[in-house]
Order: sequence, then C-alpha cells, then structure tokens
Amino acid sequence: GQQLNQSPQSMFIQEGEDVSMNCTSSSIFNTWLWYKQDPGEGPVLLIALYKAGELTSNGRLTAQFGITRKDSFLNISASIPSDVGIYFCAGQLPGNEKLTFGTGTRLTIIP
Amino acid sequence: DTGVSQDPRHKITKRGQNVTFRCDPISEHNRLYWYRQTLGQGPEFLTYFQNEAQLEKSRLLSDRFSAERPKGSFSTLEIQRTEQGDSAMYLCAGGGGAVQETQYFGPGTRLLVL
Repeated sequence: GQQLNQSPQSMFIQEGEDVSMNCTSSSIFNTWLWYKQDPGEGPVLLIALYKAGELTSNGRLTAQFGITRKDSFLNISASIPSDVGIYFCAGQLPGNEKLTFGTGTRLTIIP
Repeated sequence: DTGVSQDPRHKITKRGQNVTFRCDPISEHNRLYWYRQTLGQGPEFLTYFQNEAQLEKSRLLSDRFSAERPKGSFSTLEIQRTEQGDSAMYLCAGGGGAVQETQYFGPGTRLLVL
C-alpha cells in the first residue's frame, strides 16, 4: 500500500542533541499526525496538526504542518534516552478517514 | 494509556487455522479502525467503523478477513484459513470522540502463522 516518504530512515545521536525529521507526500493532506512506537507496542500519538502552517509543541517536541499541505516536520530538542524508538508521520486525505503512514524514522541514542 | 485495549496481545497459530482478535475502544470513540503492520513498515489501513456500520474496506482485506462491531462498542477481526503472509501486528485505533479528528491506538495483537 501507499506510504509517505519519511526521512531520515534512521538517526544515531548523542544525548542532548536536537533531532529533526520530515515527511513528504505527493498528495495534499488535511491532517498530519506524529506518533512514536516502541518495540512490541502500538503507536502513541505525540502531536496532531490540522491547519497549513500550524506550529504545535508538546514539551520538547515541535511539529509543523507545511504550507503546501504536502509535508510536515518534527523536531525534538535536547534528546533524552527515553526518546529512543521509531517515529511515524501519518496524513489524512480530505474526505478520507484512513491514515496513510510514513516509513518511519528510527532514533538511537549513542552513549 | 489511550484506553484502547486489544486481546490477545500475541497469537501463534498454524497455517489454515482461524483466528479472532478483539478491540475495546473507550466509550467516546464512535469510530474504530483496524490497521496491519509488518516488520519495518508503517501501519496500513484495513477497515473502519462509524458506530456499528463498516464504512470502508481496504483492498488488503481479502475475503478471508471479516470485521464486526455489533453494538458500536467493541470490535472483532477474524482471519479464516490463515496463511504465513498474514503474520503481522494487527492494530486497532479509536477516534471521532474529540473535537478534532485523531486516532488513538491500542497495544496491538502480534500474529505469527507457522
């Protein structure tokens, strides 16, 4: 099935560093959602975005809904060990209930 | 904790057997979604319900798959005559209760078909 282009595919960083990842699509979305998934668990919603240009924060996380409505960005500031996991973007097309997910960004923190 | 529960969390079965999974969203979730996730991929949409009505089904949902939400509360997903290719994590999500549209996922059921 269709999946969004998400980059980078993986990141290896040191604790305290900032992280940036993004998601792009050839289609226009009405909603962008960012999830984090730990091994063997379901995705946990981090941030939801509903308007083009919207910038929303959740603690150290900040996400933006791209102006073109075809992309979204997630930033994590001052990373900590519990940030390790796989981050997924997900978009919702106009008039469509299903979410289309990105391919994921695996975040690893190097000791 | 999203309040969405799934049972069982793990299921191992032999090829050809039938399996059934259950999802219990919170009462505010009038919408319920099923997704499938294979290793290294993001979740892929299977089907969704608005209350008890099944409103959309993906092409991924072959004739061997059936989902129900009889009273608009819990939902079941049944796979008949399982195949090895059915091995995946099956995720349920609830939504539609909040002001804006979001989907809250349960912990998933991991299926292994031998």
